Amino acid sequence: AQKITQTQPGMFVQEKEAVTLDCTYDTSDPSYGLFWYKQPSSGEMIFLIYQGSYDQQNATEGRYSLNFQKARKSANLVISASQLGDSAMYFCAMREALTGTASKLTFGTGTRLQVTL
Amino acid sequence: GAGVSQSPSNKVTEKGKDVELRCDPISGHTALYWYRQSLGQGLEFLIYFQGNSAPDKSGLPSDRFSAERTGGSVSTLTIQRTQQEDSAVYLCASSPTRGTTNEKLFFGSGTQLSVL
Repeated sequence: AQKITQTQPGMFVQEKEAVTLDCTYDTSDPSYGLFWYKQPSSGEMIFLIYQGSYDQQNATEGRYSLNFQKARKSANLVISASQLGDSAMYFCAMREALTGTASKLTFGTGTRLQVTL
Repeated sequence: GAGVSQSPSNKVTEKGKDVELRCDPISGHTALYWYRQSLGQGLEFLIYFQGNSAPDKSGLPSDRFSAERTGGSVSTLTIQRTQQEDSAVYLCASSPTRGTTNEKLFFGSGTQLSVL
């Protein structure tokens, strides 16, 4: 089973609008962390936001917020007031605290966001 | 350096040749990771180093792939007898400690490998 599922291969949003990028995850570990990274066309991976499984509140970082629904195992990224520079690939990732696999981040297949005028 | 450095940025090789990809992590980071990103795909974990511990090689796709990390710093990923399906971007990342759940990775810009 996929650990991280991103069902939207591509999304379009108009400038200044908000957009939600979906991410669901699968784990039996009660302790885990969820991450979102942005990858522009230049290729570098840019960390956006983090949510811990025990965090009571949804994470926010500027225009980015994470809609964390633990019971549904979803961690959707919300980008408010989209800008042209937000056009990029967005990856959801998870790190579990399981012994032996504690180290690596497991990534989804990504969503390509295109911001239009 | 200020960030994770990878070299070369681009590598074109012929099928059957060996290649070496280099990663210089952020100074002081004890954890180092290699990922592979095929065209239009997500990131596939390859290998992880943490300090002096034995590396986690669980993601290496075949015995043609190997990696080492010298002196707890620079790492080299070696692909022997390259195949066309090895063509991908190879990303290196580092993090400060031992990979607690809240620890983010810092990525390099990657090496684009093309096997002809």
